[in-house]
Amino acid sequence: AQSVTQPDIHITVSEGASLELRCNYSYGATPYLFWYVQSPGQGLQLLLKYFSGDTLVQGIKGFEAEFKRSQSSFNLRKPSVHWSDAAEYFCAVGVIDRGSTLGRLYFGRGTQLTVWP
Amino acid sequence: AAGVIQSPRHLIKEKRETATLKCYPIPRHDTVYWYQQGPGQDPQFLISFYEKMQSDKGSIPDRFSAQQFSDYHSELNMSSLELGDSALYFCASRLMVSALGYTFGSGTRLTVV
Repeated sequence: AQSVTQPDIHITVSEGASLELRCNYSYGATPYLFWYVQSPGQGLQLLLKYFSGDTLVQGIKGFEAEFKRSQSSFNLRKPSVHWSDAAEYFCAVGVIDRGSTLGRLYFGRGTQLTVWP
Repeated sequence: AAGVIQSPRHLIKEKRETATLKCYPIPRHDTVYWYQQGPGQDPQFLISFYEKMQSDKGSIPDRFSAQQFSDYHSELNMSSLELGDSALYFCASRLMVSALGYTFGSGTRLTVV
């Protein structure tokens, strides 16, 4: 069965420090992977996605993620965190439905990021 | 650029009442997904529609129903509301044949009192 694990519920970093948010997935086929960010009471904003090709993907706001098939991981990174990055981050895997097209998303439980000034 | 529009943004209902949430996808998007996000929880898939037909069903209670209309907008109808239905309800849309991903709306926050 497909699942997404984000082992860190809460992470605190200082502004300007580097960041890595972990994500591990379980899916029997080639995964479609996503990272979303959510500010309190707001919707989900797509940071980046991996469908195929280069395993290092660049996203918005200076974020990047690396797909490692051998580790079933898709960790999100940012070299220098800004105070405005404080939010909740969700990793998700998109499954292929019966029509061989992208179907529903399975989300991890999220990682809350706090940024100290 | 046009985004996914959800209405209303906020809704307060009493137990056992009925609520209707609306989702207007991005123009030309033919697929709509509904998710429920409880307080402090990850979004859970409820149901999806492609070309006005139900394409997938998740953990949607029998008290809930949904449909997609000819203009591709979708409505989620929730009856006999319970306190546990209080959540943020997201709609997402995409174009089925596209390699692009999903675009989420800002959500409807439903509070059942």
